[in-house]
Amino acid sequence: KAGVTQTPRYLIKTRGQQVTLSCSPISGHRSVSWYQQTPGQGLQFLFEYFSETQRNKGNFPGRFSGRQFSNSRSEMNVSTLELGDSALYLCASSAQSAPIYEQYFGPGTRLTVT
Amino acid sequence: AQTVTQSQPEMSVQEAETVTLSCTYDTSESDYYLFWYKQPPSRQMILVIRQEAYKQQNATENRFSVNFQKAAKSFSLKISDSQLGDAAMYFCAYRSGPGGGADGLTFGKGTHLIIQP
Repeated sequence: KAGVTQTPRYLIKTRGQQVTLSCSPISGHRSVSWYQQTPGQGLQFLFEYFSETQRNKGNFPGRFSGRQFSNSRSEMNVSTLELGDSALYLCASSAQSAPIYEQYFGPGTRLTVT
Repeated sequence: AQTVTQSQPEMSVQEAETVTLSCTYDTSESDYYLFWYKQPPSRQMILVIRQEAYKQQNATENRFSVNFQKAAKSFSLKISDSQLGDAAMYFCAYRSGPGGGADGLTFGKGTHLIIQP
């Protein structure tokens, strides 16, 4: 079974631009979570989607948004990019939303904002 | 809010030896899950082991085992017979049980494990 895939793997954007990152979960998985990883703040939860509905949201400004499609693929969008948004963005999928279900992580998208 | 603390930024161990990584957490919840994730240089996060708080028995997965002390809110990871492939960042993580307050996984800052050949 194919793992979680994230595209693109690397991205360079300019401050003020917007960006869309994509995540394809493992086949059959209905829950997708997003995390931001930076050297300073570590790993932080962004949001979780299950069956096209946002279930949980972390403490991030409204510039960070996401959505999930009927095939469970998810996108996250960051508008008006700031230098501090430079990070590794990780996506994780699980069969269901409940915590007992293991989250499988993708390889991440490295975003650099200049 | 829940917090996870890993007090060892870096640990070093000789190949084939045993190493223990520390993790403490703070929560007022009684139902939760604890995890250890490994992140090698490739950056792909891999689940190493999981512990349900309601289970008293410590989880084990081959060479990996945990010492879960619920009252002390401690969750350490023991790696036996360390191998070169174990070199990675190790993250301790917390997740609330159903109906709990923690959104997603709450991670510690990580411990960089170095394996000396």
